Amino acid sequence: LAKTTQPISMDSYEGQEVNITCSHNNIATNDYITWYQQFPSQGPRFIIQGYKTKVTNEVASLFIPADRKSSTLSLPRVSLSDTAVYYCLVPNNDYKLSFGAGTTVTVRA
Amino acid sequence: GAGVSQSPSNKVTEKGKDVELRCDPISGHTALYWYRQSLGQGLEFLIYFQGNSAPDKSGLPSDRFSAERTGGSVSTLTIQRTQQEDSAVYLCASVPGVWGTGPEAFFGQGTRLTVV
Repeated sequence: LAKTTQPISMDSYEGQEVNITCSHNNIATNDYITWYQQFPSQGPRFIIQGYKTKVTNEVASLFIPADRKSSTLSLPRVSLSDTAVYYCLVPNNDYKLSFGAGTTVTVRA
Repeated sequence: GAGVSQSPSNKVTEKGKDVELRCDPISGHTALYWYRQSLGQGLEFLIYFQGNSAPDKSGLPSDRFSAERTGGSVSTLTIQRTQQEDSAVYLCASVPGVWGTGPEAFFGQGTRLTVV
């Protein structure tokens, strides 16, 4: 079973809010949900991590419903530099940091 | 340095030659990962080190690939008799504990390997 499911791609315009929802139906009790961002020719970069409810930092917000079977990464007022691939990761009792295809977000002017 | 350092940043080698890729993790991080990313593809897990435990080598694609971690710090990924399909970006990550339970993973910039 796939650990996470997220859209393959999303398009947006500068100044808009981008919300990426990730499904993780088999999340384990102790699992945290982690999101990474990757620009071309760079390694992934940690964005945000959460366990339940809502987490906010200077880059994004992460919304996690009570059942924790999904999560939504919210990027406020995106700019062209936010064009990247965004990965949702859930360990599900596996420490291998399994990266799926991620969501390619394209921000247009 | 403050981050994960990988060297070389770029490597071009002839088919059949051996290559060594180096990763300097963040000091004190107990876990170290190697990944491979082909052009336009996702990250493929290769190997995982955690403290003094035996490494998880389940992702290594063939016996031409090997990795070691000396003194719980620096790691070297060796590819013997390189093939053109080995061309990819090789990424290293370190974690201050067990990933997935709170600590985040820090990635290096990667080594771009081209086999000609």
